[in-house]
Amino acid sequence: NAGVTQTPKFRILKIGQSMTLQCTQDMNHNYMYWYRQDPGMGLKLIYYSVGAGITDKGEVPNGYNVSRSTTEDFPLRLELAAPSQTSVYFCASSYLGGGTGYTFGSGTRLTVV
Amino acid sequence: QQQVKQSPQSLIVQKGGISIINCAYENTAFDYFPWYQQFPGKGPALLIAIRPDVSEKKEGRFTISFNKSAKQFSLHIMDSQPGDSATYFCAASRGSGGSNYKLTFGKGTLLTVNP
Repeated sequence: NAGVTQTPKFRILKIGQSMTLQCTQDMNHNYMYWYRQDPGMGLKLIYYSVGAGITDKGEVPNGYNVSRSTTEDFPLRLELAAPSQTSVYFCASSYLGGGTGYTFGSGTRLTVV
Repeated sequence: QQQVKQSPQSLIVQKGGISIINCAYENTAFDYFPWYQQFPGKGPALLIAIRPDVSEKKEGRFTISFNKSAKQFSLHIMDSQPGDSATYFCAASRGSGGSNYKLTFGKGTLLTVNP
């Protein structure tokens, strides 16, 4: 089983550019999440989805967008990249939501210059 | 408002010692408390979890202690090994079902176990 797969692993963007971080899972999990991790700040929720076609904002959604057209895929879109979006991004999925364990991907390290 | 407070921010322990990481929560509706372990360059991985119907859960060298009245829970790593060196996150949620979809994470503890 691949679990949760994130691409790319690393990316450098220039200010104002856009990109999509890809996330796919093969565990048939309904719940999917995007977190960003900054040094000493823990994991902050950007967006989450409870199933195909349903998404909602987390703590820090500004500057990001998501879509969930299939159970497997949950891409995160960055529009007009800013230096404040330099971070490590993790996608996660879960079978029963917050009351059970999450499976995380290996992350995307994004630098905006 | 930070709903899960984790301490210490960093911890250095000698091989064979006991590592203790503490978390405190505010929301009394929380009823699922997992710990995640993260190695450099990797995503967090579920280590051990507890629900408030028990005060302690042990899996190998890892133990969660839970104090519902104090709204605190802690991770104890017995006989700490250099391979345990990682960042540890506590988290909490309101259990499964209903409108609960999200874990709230602490800020993490960087554990270093010296040989």
